[in-house]
Amino acid sequence: AQKITQTQPGMFVQEKEAVTLDCTYDTSDQSYGLFWYKQPSSGEMIFLIYQGSYDEQNATEGRYSLNFQKARKSANLVISASQLGDSAMYFCAMREGYGNNRLAFGKGNQVVVIP
Amino acid sequence: SAVISQKPSRDICQRGTSLTIQCQVDSQVTMMFWYRQQPGQSLTLIATANQGSEATYESGFVIDKFPISRPNLTFSTLTVSNMSPEDSSIYLCSVGEGWKGYGYTFGSGTRLTVV
Repeated sequence: AQKITQTQPGMFVQEKEAVTLDCTYDTSDQSYGLFWYKQPSSGEMIFLIYQGSYDEQNATEGRYSLNFQKARKSANLVISASQLGDSAMYFCAMREGYGNNRLAFGKGNQVVVIP
Repeated sequence: SAVISQKPSRDICQRGTSLTIQCQVDSQVTMMFWYRQQPGQSLTLIATANQGSEATYESGFVIDKFPISRPNLTFSTLTVSNMSPEDSSIYLCSVGEGWKGYGYTFGSGTRLTVV
C-alpha cells in the first residue's frame, strides 16, 4: 500500500504568489516524521522542512511552512512568495517509528513558477 | 548536517558493463542508504548500507545486481552490475541521522544512462 500520496498534477504558479502542495500519508505508528524535499532539474535532493508526529506547532522554515493535520493524516507544504528558483519537483517523505531511518517518498509535485 | 560528496555526477555506459558510485561523508554516520530514481519517477530505496556487515536490500533488489560496500562510517559504494538500458536512472546516496530533518541529507546524485 502506498504510504505517501501526492496526487496534484503539475502546477503553474505566478511569481510572488503562494502555493500549497498536498501530501497525505498512511501509518499505524504513533511516532513518525514527515519531510519535504525539493528536486531541481539538476537532480539533487534539497531538504526543506520537517514535522515530527509529536510536534504541536506546525513547522516553518523561512518561506516554507507545513500545514500538519494529524487527524486527517495530511502534511501540506506551503511556499509563500514564490520565486522563479522555486521551479522544481517537490517530494513528501515519511520516516516511521524509532530506529528506522529509511524514508518512503511520494510521487512528487511539479511546480513551475512563471514571471 | 552531514555533507555528502557523490561521484561520478553522470556517466554514459555500455550495456553489460558495471559502474561503481562512491559517496564520501564529511562526518561519521551510522545509517547510509542508496536510492534509485527512474526517469520521471519517485525515489525507491535500494538498500541500507551497514558498516562492517552485508547491506540490507529492499524487495526487488539483489546483491548480485547492486553490490554495496561500507568499509567505514564515512564511505560507501554502490555498483550497478551487468547494466541494461532499464538501469538508466539517477542513483542517490543518503544519510539518516538523529530525529530531526536536517540529519537526512542526500548526495548530489549520479545520472546514469545505459546505451
